Amino acid sequence: QVQMVQSGAEVKKPGASVRVSCKASGYTFTDQHIHWVRQAPGQGLEWVGRINPNRGGTDYAQKFQGRVTMTRDTSISTAYLDLNWLTFDDTAVYYCARGGVFAFDVWGQGTLVTVSS
Amino acid sequence: EIVLTQSPGTLSLSPGERATLSCRASQSVSSAYLGWYQQKPGQAPRLLIYGASNRATGIPDRFSGSGSGTDFTLTINRLEPEDFAVYYCQQYGTSHPNTFGQGTKLQIK
Repeated sequence: QVQMVQSGAEVKKPGASVRVSCKASGYTFTDQHIHWVRQAPGQGLEWVGRINPNRGGTDYAQKFQGRVTMTRDTSISTAYLDLNWLTFDDTAVYYCARGGVFAFDVWGQGTLVTVSS
Repeated sequence: EIVLTQSPGTLSLSPGERATLSCRASQSVSSAYLGWYQQKPGQAPRLLIYGASNRATGIPDRFSGSGSGTDFTLTINRLEPEDFAVYYCQQYGTSHPNTFGQGTKLQIK
């Protein structure tokens, strides 16, 4: 079955960087975009950006421009989210999701990133 | 950026009743790219509706979506105990950034 499996929880200090991975299976990885969405504790959903796994093209939400990078490794059907210069406000659950004309139809289980001094 | 405003913020109903959730956009949204999600505590969001009115795979027919332009509605008929959750609308597709509404909490009365 189609699934997205994410890497485990991370604890980082302010100013550090974090990498979250998302491994897709059960479909052709390059056929659909991978989106990243985050959710701060007790808050709503916030779109971070997306990557086209086929050619690697990306689009990022403006508030993350300059400190976010999304990449992929097609040989292992895995997408990556790198977020730099972490602040306390980056504490959130980060989700990857498969996206296309059918909206975000498959989601990863989420990765908790905690920024703490 | 398209801003989606959901109402009400919280809706209190009893099992068996009908829920009507609203999503209003700050500018016109293509119906092809309006989705609804359900989220329960500690879980990832679950796609309910895509293209404003199409149920995702495995979604019961008591869930229905409608609307166009700037006004969209999610209707849940005959509420079941498992339907009490938070619901988000979303505009996706080629318009970036993709945005979500702030959510409507559906709670048991």
